[in-house]
Amino acid sequence: NAGVTQTPKFRILKIGQSMTLQCAQDMNHNYMYWYRQDPGMGLKLIYYSVGAGITDKGEVPNGYNVSRSTTEDFPLRLELAAPSQTSVYFCASSYARNTEAFFGQGTRLTVV
Amino acid sequence: GQQVMQIPQYQHVQEGEDFTTYCNSSTTLSNIQWYKQRPGGHPVFLIQLVKSGEVKKQKRLTFQFGEAKKNSSLHITATQTTDVGTYFCAGHSGAGSYQLTFGKGTKLSVIP
Repeated sequence: NAGVTQTPKFRILKIGQSMTLQCAQDMNHNYMYWYRQDPGMGLKLIYYSVGAGITDKGEVPNGYNVSRSTTEDFPLRLELAAPSQTSVYFCASSYARNTEAFFGQGTRLTVV
Repeated sequence: GQQVMQIPQYQHVQEGEDFTTYCNSSTTLSNIQWYKQRPGGHPVFLIQLVKSGEVKKQKRLTFQFGEAKKNSSLHITATQTTDVGTYFCAGHSGAGSYQLTFGKGTKLSVIP
């Protein structure tokens, strides 16, 4: 049972480059989330989805885009990477709104 | 928007001492969840509280949800080195919110 799988684990981007962080879950969860974690700053919600075809902005969506074409996948797209996007990105999923969230292992992104 | 605050930000304790972290929300929460993140790891769900005044225990860990559903606490009795990590609270604000908002966390260090 893989749970929530994120790829890649590490990535270095140059300023202005673009990339997609992949997230897949095999638990048939409806809810999926993208968070970024900066040192000492906790987890900030970027985007979330309550089901295939439905996404919405979280607290810090600027500079990111998401899509949810299937229940399993919830990729996060960074366009025109900036140093301020250097962070650890976590994808999470939950079956319903008030159930536990399962997190992926994270993607450590550095923008130079 | 909803804000979830946690104190203290850091806590150093001698092994065997007790530890408490507090979580306060700017809005009434429909539920509160607690997560633990080991150094270099991802957040792992510990527990969820839903009812006003609810108290739950997991071995040496005691979780409380305030009567007004705006605050919560996690108390660890007789800390062990395995308790090291960052403890986060997270909650949904109100019945219609899909956003799971995290506090900044309390980083616990245990001195053997």
